[in-house]
Amino acid sequence: AQSVSQHNHHVILSEAASLELGCNYSYGGTVNLFWYVQYPGQHLQLLLKYFSGDPLVKGIKGFEAEFIKSKFSFNLRKPSVQWSDTAEYFCAVIKAAGNKLTFGGGTRVLVKP
Amino acid sequence: GAVVSQHPSRVICKSGTSVKIECRSLDFQATTMFWYRQFPKQSLMLMATSNEGSKATYEQGVEKDKFLINHASLTLSTLTVTSAHPEDSSFYICSAGGGLAAGLGVGETQYFGPGTRLLVL
Repeated sequence: AQSVSQHNHHVILSEAASLELGCNYSYGGTVNLFWYVQYPGQHLQLLLKYFSGDPLVKGIKGFEAEFIKSKFSFNLRKPSVQWSDTAEYFCAVIKAAGNKLTFGGGTRVLVKP
Repeated sequence: GAVVSQHPSRVICKSGTSVKIECRSLDFQATTMFWYRQFPKQSLMLMATSNEGSKATYEQGVEKDKFLINHASLTLSTLTVTSAHPEDSSFYICSAGGGLAAGLGVGETQYFGPGTRLLVL
């Protein structure tokens, strides 16, 4: 069975700092990859996704992620965070021929003003 | 586009009663809907996959007689928690994917509803 691991459970940083959240998955076949964000009191929203093509994908709100197939990784980055980026971030993977999303454990990010 | 709604957003019920949660895709038709459960400070756990017009597929460890799922149309799926107990208290989230009108398909994006917080007393 596929699994997804997110290395950091909690991240605390100051505004304008750079953010990188790690995500690794354990399935050897073709996958589609997602990052979702859950702001406090809100529902999951799609930040970005990778299906194929350029492994560096850009999402909303200045986020980007890089798919490195050899490392089974899909790390999320933002060069300069804002207080409004305080949220929980979830990496998720789905087999390209399937429809079941497997979520990582989530990373809670707190941006101090 | 691709908006998913859930109703109710919160429900409090007595132990032993049944609770129905609705999940609707508002602007697209979803061939597949998914039900997740999220415990406090934890990730989402898939409970079941619901395909329109057929029986739901439950994940290991999820009681199908306890969590009844009906996907009668391409825009509506319902989850009924039967004979609810305090341990069923949780945040239930649905998602919709495999949409026809939105051009979604197998392996593509799921869109999530806002969740339903269930508290069983």
